[in-house]
Amino acid sequence: GAVVSQHPSRVICKSGTSVKIECRSLDFQATTMFWYRQFPKQSLMLMATSNEGSKATYEQGVEKDKFLINHASLTLSTLTVTSAHPEDSSFYICSARVQGENYGYTFGSGTRLTVV
Amino acid sequence: AQSVTQLDSQVPVFEEAPVELRCNYSSSVSVYLFWYVQYPNQGLQLLLKYLSGSTLVKGINGFEAEFNKSQTSFHLRKPSVHISDTAEYFCAVRNLGGSYIPTFGRGTSLIVHP
Repeated sequence: GAVVSQHPSRVICKSGTSVKIECRSLDFQATTMFWYRQFPKQSLMLMATSNEGSKATYEQGVEKDKFLINHASLTLSTLTVTSAHPEDSSFYICSARVQGENYGYTFGSGTRLTVV
Repeated sequence: AQSVTQLDSQVPVFEEAPVELRCNYSSSVSVYLFWYVQYPNQGLQLLLKYLSGSTLVKGINGFEAEFNKSQTSFHLRKPSVHISDTAEYFCAVRNLGGSYIPTFGRGTSLIVHP
């Protein structure tokens, strides 16, 4: 089946630094990827939708300058948390829409970001 | 716009007992429905989905769900749970046509006790 590989699984960074999270579709082309943020014991909050070769669409309230999304190829989308602060600590998950597979979505394994 | 309600935030159950996790949705159009499972510090894994046809959908790990249009529900069931089923379960809905972005419920934590 369709697999999305997300790296890193865990990252600890200092306040003020930037962190990049990668999501790769391994055996299919992902024209659209979704980036979610999940707080403890809560549901997934959609942050943005990225489309290959175009600018990402951000949800209301999500700072596009802080959460930079790049989807330069059909198999790679990245989320960069810039000038990270402790309040950015969270679990980030990417997801790709799998065309031709009955409208399924496949998820990455998530990235636990801790900003100290 | 669509919405999903998972009434139970936590469901404790003993091993080998049956379980039902409830999901109700709201939408003005026809929908696709999904159940996902999330183990600690992992992404979401698709358990099953309803697109059309038979209202009883069977998924992986012995789970099944029944689509009830009149009650706008899509409850998840398993006749006998295992310790390994302890996880967070999310119901999701997506409208036919229009936006293809799914809406997730807040999740139900299934806790299986020995």
